[in-house]
Amino acid sequence: QVQLQESGPGLVKPSGTLSLTCTVSGGSVTRGSYYWSWIRQPPGKGLEWIGYIYYSGTTNYNRSLKTRVTISVDTSKNQFSLRLSSVTAADTAVYYCARNYNGFDFWGQGTLVTVSS
Amino acid sequence: QSALTQPASVSGSPGQSITISCTGTISDVGGYNYVSWYQQRPGKAPKLMIYDVTNRPSGVSFRFSGSKSGNTASLTISGLQAEDEADYFCSSHTSSSSWVFGGGTKVTVL
Repeated sequence: QVQLQESGPGLVKPSGTLSLTCTVSGGSVTRGSYYWSWIRQPPGKGLEWIGYIYYSGTTNYNRSLKTRVTISVDTSKNQFSLRLSSVTAADTAVYYCARNYNGFDFWGQGTLVTVSS
Repeated sequence: QSALTQPASVSGSPGQSITISCTGTISDVGGYNYVSWYQQRPGKAPKLMIYDVTNRPSGVSFRFSGSKSGNTASLTISGLQAEDEADYFCSSHTSSSSWVFGGGTKVTVL
């Protein structure tokens, strides 16, 4: 059974950079056909897809966030990461990592990141 | 990419059937058979209920079914049970090889 776990700071200052890592267990990020995504959910609101990465390093990002987002993969650690720069209060959300195969079939438990001084 | 349109809330009595709609465009829902549905209970991560419009993952109750007509996809819950009370989100692949979610629908069991 694949498991994903997000980790990173829960508090980021405005204009700073949000950095999160997703550790995958029970499966390999290098297995073909799987895309690895980041998704966020502001408190009390809906889901927003941020972007994905394939093990080869191919990425695709949400157009609305594209200038601020970088997703990378570390195959040696079976992890993938999110960096979101120039954050504001609007970036406060629960951030999920998820595997994208047939839909988003496996999710991490989510981690709340608050942007505040 | 605009969010897909879902009703804010849907309710039904135990045993009834309810349907949640998810409306997009030809660039997402209407153009691809890659619509999926998620159930989210408070404080929990979303759970995949339907993928590729009509397919149920292993372990998901047969009471959940999906369909699509034109630019609108639908999730039907038959034999509504108290445990079905949750938020439901649809998602679709898009023409820019990205993914878009609906705004979410709160299902209430009366």
